[in-house]
Amino acid sequence: AQTVTQSQPEMSVQEAETVTLSCTYDTSESDYYLFWYKQPPSRQMILVIRQEAYKQQNATENRFSVNFQKAAKSFSLKISDSQLGDAAMYFCAYSNWWGTGNQFYFGTGTSLTVIP
Amino acid sequence: DTGVSQNPRHKITKRGQNVTFRCDPISEHNRLYWYRQTLGQGPEFLTYFQNEAQLEKSRLLSDRFSAERPKGSFSTLEIQRTEQGDSAMYLCASTGANYGYTFGSGTRLTVV
Repeated sequence: AQTVTQSQPEMSVQEAETVTLSCTYDTSESDYYLFWYKQPPSRQMILVIRQEAYKQQNATENRFSVNFQKAAKSFSLKISDSQLGDAAMYFCAYSNWWGTGNQFYFGTGTSLTVIP
Repeated sequence: DTGVSQNPRHKITKRGQNVTFRCDPISEHNRLYWYRQTLGQGPEFLTYFQNEAQLEKSRLLSDRFSAERPKGSFSTLEIQRTEQGDSAMYLCASTGANYGYTFGSGTRLTVV
């Protein structure tokens, strides 16, 4: 079964600094997708960034980038120039898109605090 | 496109009562998912629909839980004889051709 592990329950970063959130996963599949979702307090989850496993190039979205290490099954999120609005719970997720149902498997989340 | 809508946002019920939640997905999305999220945990898969067909159910979905998606549009999730352990955030998500979920804001259930 696929599992996703986020080993950092809480992280903090100074405003304008850079922070990296860690995620590891376990799968026997070769084709899959990895995601980072952001969940602000009492608000809906929104997609931050997506990575296709077959792509060697790391995904980037403005201030957000990933370090995808397929062999190590590692998928970290780097937030550059952190802003107060980045404060939220961040979830790493895995999906075997061609699998039955393409359900997502989520980690337990990392709570990010941004210090002014 | 107004996104994924879930109602109600909050529900407080007494143990043993039945509750029903509604999810309206993005109109062109043919897949709809229900997840449960307890405090300090990531969302856990409950069930999913492709159009009106319920194609997969998690072992988390006990006999007290039932989900429907008539005509492949909105979906309902009913919990019968609620228990305190059912207290959680129930999330709905939908997806179309792109590879990612669009989540609703969730329904927070508190069983007292």
